[in-house]
Amino acid sequence: ETGVTQTPRHLVMGMTNKKSLKCEQHLGHNAMYWYKQSAKKPLELMFVYNFKEQTENNSVPSRFSPECPNSSHLFLHLHTLQPEDSALYLCASSRGWEETQYFGPGTRLLVL
Amino acid sequence: GQQLNQSPQSMFIQEGEDVSMNCTSSSIFNTWLWYKQDPGEGPVLLIALYKAGELTSNGRLTAQFGITRKDSFLNISASIPSDVGIYFCAGQSPNSGGSNYKLTFGKGTLLTVNP
Repeated sequence: ETGVTQTPRHLVMGMTNKKSLKCEQHLGHNAMYWYKQSAKKPLELMFVYNFKEQTENNSVPSRFSPECPNSSHLFLHLHTLQPEDSALYLCASSRGWEETQYFGPGTRLLVL
Repeated sequence: GQQLNQSPQSMFIQEGEDVSMNCTSSSIFNTWLWYKQDPGEGPVLLIALYKAGELTSNGRLTAQFGITRKDSFLNISASIPSDVGIYFCAGQSPNSGGSNYKLTFGKGTLLTVNP
């Protein structure tokens, strides 16, 4: 238990669906991150939020839309995804943007 | 962009053996991190290294931050079946513009321990 929770843990969606992934951290951290993990590839940073402000968008397609309503919660809204978007989506948080990141368990996403 | 070369890609060992894996980069990092990921879970931090030359232990795990700041290794002594998993190195350095610290991950080392 790292103090970072993610829901749902598994998600299957069609290409026309709209769904959202949720991340919550109970560590009092100020920075939150979304990563994509695909087989045989390094973790790919998608978005960074620091004190609720987005500070990095790593050239992520617009079909992924993040939302950070407060420092404890982070969402990833999904719409019109492609099969190649199937992956494990990991949320992480850190006390400050320069400090060590702690990961949630991830959401395993399958796009049909 | 920055890349980390992590090796080996996979290892098959017998219980009780020692294990060593490493990461190298052409770029300098300020921090080296080692994570372990179990199937269906997120990476869990094992060891964090903050100074060049630093040698840090966590139980049976030992990791070192290379003097050049471009490499790090992780050793596991007297392996046990629950050591099975994927081990990732990660290097942390300021993003261009200094607005964030970017975490660059290796591709991972898959460790299998035979009882």
